[in-house]
Amino acid sequence: GAGVSQSPSNKVTEKGKDVELRCDPISGHTALYWYRQRLGQGLEFLIYFQGNSAPDKSGLPSDRFSAERTGESVSTLTIQRTQQEDSAVYLCASSSGHNTEAFFGQGTRLTVV
Amino acid sequence: QKEVEQNSGPLSVPEGAIASLNCTYSDRGSQSFFWYRQYSGKSPELIMFIYSNGDKEDGRFTAQLNKASQYVSLLIRDSQPSDSATYLCASYTGGFKTIFGAGTRLFVKA
Repeated sequence: GAGVSQSPSNKVTEKGKDVELRCDPISGHTALYWYRQRLGQGLEFLIYFQGNSAPDKSGLPSDRFSAERTGESVSTLTIQRTQQEDSAVYLCASSSGHNTEAFFGQGTRLTVV
Repeated sequence: QKEVEQNSGPLSVPEGAIASLNCTYSDRGSQSFFWYRQYSGKSPELIMFIYSNGDKEDGRFTAQLNKASQYVSLLIRDSQPSDSATYLCASYTGGFKTIFGAGTRLFVKA
């Protein structure tokens, strides 16, 4: 696609429910990143994919968080048993990996009530 | 130790002044560096990148890189209220990985 696409753009969920966030990277981009950004805060690294492997999962805050990626395509970030502190904007970015910029999607704003 | 560190700010400067944003990194193997700007409620967008030691100028923006000191900065000359945003520093370490700092909030007062 022309850019990084994330869906849904907004998600309101009840505490304790599971949510799945989707990211469609730019076609051909090897690297894919997930970040969390709480209101008024900076980017918090969650996970990085190179192809469909995840060499760095160090940012996942708990075992309620998991992510998958199919080849060099779509990635999903799953949050199980959501908590209010999970409320944030979840940003996905992709890059070709060859020393170039990362392109960001518009994010998914998650609100846990 | 965080791999890319930035002062969270906020940094407040008057209109027309020079805003100086700083970033340090821990990985000496970092190859290139990027500055992104993020307006409130929007996604980050690239404004500058730098690969070599020294200065790189683009309009009102100058990026400075000192690999010996593991330091990169962004200067914004003639700051405008429209420059008010969060500025993110990022380093490319090879292996397809780009690491972002948490960002510095800049306020330019009219």
